[in-house]
Amino acid sequence: DAGITQSPRHKVTETGTPVTLRCHQTENHRYMYWYRQDPGHGLRLIHYSYGVKDTDKGEVSDGYSVSRSKTEDFLLTLESATSSQTSVYFCAISEGYEQYFGPGTRLTVT
Amino acid sequence: RKEVEQDPGPFNVPEGATVAFNCTYSNSASQSFFWYRQDCRKEPKLLMSVYSSGNEDGRFTAQLNRASQYISLLIRDSKLSDSATYLCVVYPFGDYKLSFGAGTTVTVRA
Repeated sequence: DAGITQSPRHKVTETGTPVTLRCHQTENHRYMYWYRQDPGHGLRLIHYSYGVKDTDKGEVSDGYSVSRSKTEDFLLTLESATSSQTSVYFCAISEGYEQYFGPGTRLTVT
Repeated sequence: RKEVEQDPGPFNVPEGATVAFNCTYSNSASQSFFWYRQDCRKEPKLLMSVYSSGNEDGRFTAQLNRASQYISLLIRDSKLSDSATYLCVVYPFGDYKLSFGAGTTVTVRA
């Protein structure tokens, strides 16, 4: 299995609070991605990174920001969490076309 | 129209049966195709790539039809452990952002 970890694995937070999710890889892959998965929608790309300090928006980026200060870490921040951001968040890495996913973070915003 | 569409199922099949399902994609410039498998509450895992000439991996056969813009997955001699959601994944040309289908659920019963 690819060396990808996500933290925390579960989190419950209140509306309006900031939340940061962390993705850590030990594979030294260039590309890292954040997705959310909701019933009926499949996986949707939030943001991705193609190198240290190089990031770009995906299809559902509103309300999210990211940072990548080291190759191995990609952080996803919800500046002010809303109930619509309750979801399962997956991080993925790739060096080519095949992506490998972390175990996911279940986030509930009450 | 969604970029990638799948029949959500569920496909309920007895052990030992053959099950097949398709996925259609809208971008004719798409160049790479994959099937991922996702178990309940787990991360997606790469099952197999899909090559233009079609390819097999044990009991799994993937086909690509560029003219009609669909890919297919066939599972022979189904096992209980094949019960999962199968995600169709498409790469557009020159882009490292995947497009995911919402998944087809397969349940194999004893």
